[in-house]
Amino acid sequence: DVKVTQSSRYLVKRTGEKVFLECVQDMDHENMFWYRQDPGLGLRLIYFSYDVKMKEKGDIPEGYSVSREKKERFSLILESASTNQTSMYLCASTSTGTDSYEQYFGPGTRLTVT
Amino acid sequence: DQQVKQNSPSLSVQEGRISILNCDYTNSMFDYFLWYKKYPAEGPTFLISISSIKDKNEDGRFTVFLNKSAKHLSLHIVPSQPGDSAVYFCAAIPYNQGGKLIFGQGTELSVKP
Repeated sequence: DVKVTQSSRYLVKRTGEKVFLECVQDMDHENMFWYRQDPGLGLRLIYFSYDVKMKEKGDIPEGYSVSREKKERFSLILESASTNQTSMYLCASTSTGTDSYEQYFGPGTRLTVT
Repeated sequence: DQQVKQNSPSLSVQEGRISILNCDYTNSMFDYFLWYKKYPAEGPTFLISISSIKDKNEDGRFTVFLNKSAKHLSLHIVPSQPGDSAVYFCAAIPYNQGGKLIFGQGTELSVKP
């Protein structure tokens, strides 16, 4: 079974703090993704990575950065957290060449910025 | 600019009846379409997919229909069960973008006993 884990289920941070969200997958997938989910907006892609040390901006990268130093780990960084970054953050991974393009998701991190 | 739209935020169905969830898209350059199911406090899980060259894919109680001329796809669940109550997201994959998913807003399905 593919497993995608995220470092925290719930996180509360103060405005201006630097926040790290960690994601680890155990299936040797090349591709990893960070989304945020907000009511009425669905899932929106923040950043993705096709390989170690590679990163691509998604649809809403502003205020975020990422790091992929190892194949299995993809980190999302909020340099200076703001209240509008309060959201559910979801990490996903998938293998290049898969027929169905299925992405496997972690359980999510509910981040509250106060 | 919402390229994938689910215009019904919620749907309520009686147990045993058919649930039909709808999704519209604006871009013809999508390669694959997928449906995901999400329970509260969990990540989405893959349900079923369909290639843009097909018009139907079936997996047990779940069938996805694709109407390319109308840029519309639908997910049929027959018969609906209370355990199907969840938020359903449709998603599309653009050609040559390495599996990047574009999601709709989601439809919350409630199946009542």
